[in-house]
Amino acid sequence: DVVMTQSPLSLPVTLGQPASISCRSSQSFVYSDGNTYLNWFQQRPGQSPRRLIYKVSNRDSGVPDRFSGSGSGTDFTLKISRVEAEDVGLYYCMQGTQGLTFGQGTRLEIK
Amino acid sequence: EVQLVESGGGLVQPGGSLRLSCAASGFTFSSYAMHWVRQAPGKGLEYVSAISSNGNNTYYANSVKGRFTISRDNSKNTLYLQMGSLRAEDMAVYYCASYVWGSYNYWGQGTLVTVSS
Repeated sequence: DVVMTQSPLSLPVTLGQPASISCRSSQSFVYSDGNTYLNWFQQRPGQSPRRLIYKVSNRDSGVPDRFSGSGSGTDFTLKISRVEAEDVGLYYCMQGTQGLTFGQGTRLEIK
Repeated sequence: EVQLVESGGGLVQPGGSLRLSCAASGFTFSSYAMHWVRQAPGKGLEYVSAISSNGNNTYYANSVKGRFTISRDNSKNTLYLQMGSLRAEDMAVYYCASYVWGSYNYWGQGTLVTVSS
């Protein structure tokens, strides 16, 4: 199985400041079609998960442009350019190329 | 508007059974593979089971293989998860999610399964 490891697991951030979450995989997972199926999900308190980013860097409709995804190979990053109060919650990376595996989750809180 | 609405959760004794349902609307249900994903209290997300768009192919996590059965009724736009031989470690919020190209584009609100005597 591809193991996804996120860091940090807890991320206190001051409002208006940037934030970055790392997701590293135990092996590369490029699909035969050339795509890397790396996703980022947000789970606000008391809510179900919501997809933010798919295929490494594609933002979903309605997701603010302060969210961006990048990376390749085994190293991926979710960045928030300026954290807002509504960004509090858990963030998960997930690879969907070789089976389906999630990272442990990163809890973002306001400092 | 896409909606996935789970139901059927509740309290069940260890060794018992439960059937979850997920009613879909707002998209062409029969065109999508569907998955169940669970989240134990205070824990992360875990893939449970998947079914192809026509229902012919099913897949399970090792942790539930032989105990859970996924199915769907495309005429009713509904996904099911029959859970048996339930254990304490199966206690979780169960989400249904639509699957497309290595990703989950829509999630339901979840239904809580509590396994306790």
